[in-house]
Amino acid sequence: DADVTQTPRNRITKTGKRIMLECSQTKGHDRMYWYRQDPGLGLRLIYYSFDVKDINKGEISDGYSVSRQAQAKFSLSLESAIPNQTALYFCATSEDRVRNEQFFGPGTRLTVL
Amino acid sequence: RKEVEQDPGPFNVPEGATVAFNCTYSNSASQSFFWYRQDCRKEPKLLMSVYSSGNEDGRFTAQLNRASQYISLLIRDSKLSDSATYLCVVNMGARADKLIFGTGTRLQVFP
Repeated sequence: DADVTQTPRNRITKTGKRIMLECSQTKGHDRMYWYRQDPGLGLRLIYYSFDVKDINKGEISDGYSVSRQAQAKFSLSLESAIPNQTALYFCATSEDRVRNEQFFGPGTRLTVL
Repeated sequence: RKEVEQDPGPFNVPEGATVAFNCTYSNSASQSFFWYRQDCRKEPKLLMSVYSSGNEDGRFTAQLNRASQYISLLIRDSKLSDSATYLCVVNMGARADKLIFGTGTRLQVFP
C-alpha cells in the first residue's frame, strides 16, 4: 500500500463549485504540504502544516483553505473553484526537521471548466 | 532572479552516455539540497540528497558548490529508464521549512 494517498485522483468540476482534495499518510510524519504544479512552472507551495495546530500559508494560498484533521490527514479546499486553479495538486509529507526531505502522493489532476 | 534555476533541456542522449545537469540557487543561507526525479504526470520522487562533500549513488553523482551556489547531477552509463525530468530542490524558509523547486531539466535517452 502507498504511504501517501490522495483522493480523488482526477476531478472535473465547474466554476464556482466547492472542491475538497484529501491526503492521507501512513508514514507517521508530522509535516504535511500541499503543492500545485502547472506546465512550465515548478511546484508551488499552497499550505503546510507541522501538526494539527500549526498551519501555515505558502506562496499561493489565496483561493484555498486547508484542514488538518489528524496527524495522518490533511485536506485542501477550493471554496469557489475558478479555471486558473486547473492544475496537478500534490500532497507531501516530511519527518526530518533539519533536511526536510519530502515524500509525495500520486497527485490529483483537477480541471475547472 | 528565480530562487532555483535549471536549464529546461531537453537533453537527448544515447544509451551509455554520460550527462550532467546544473542548477543554481539564490539564497546563500540554504542548508539542504536534493535532486528529485519526475516521470510524466507522476509525483516527484527523491533521487538523492546532495551533501557538501559530494555523494554518489550507483551511476548518479551529486555535487554542491556553496561558493558559486550551484548543484550538479551527473548520470553515467545512461539507461532508457533514466528518461524523466530532474528537479533541483533547495530547502529554504526562516525555519528551513520550505522546499523550493526548480522547473526541471528533461532528459530523453534514446537507443
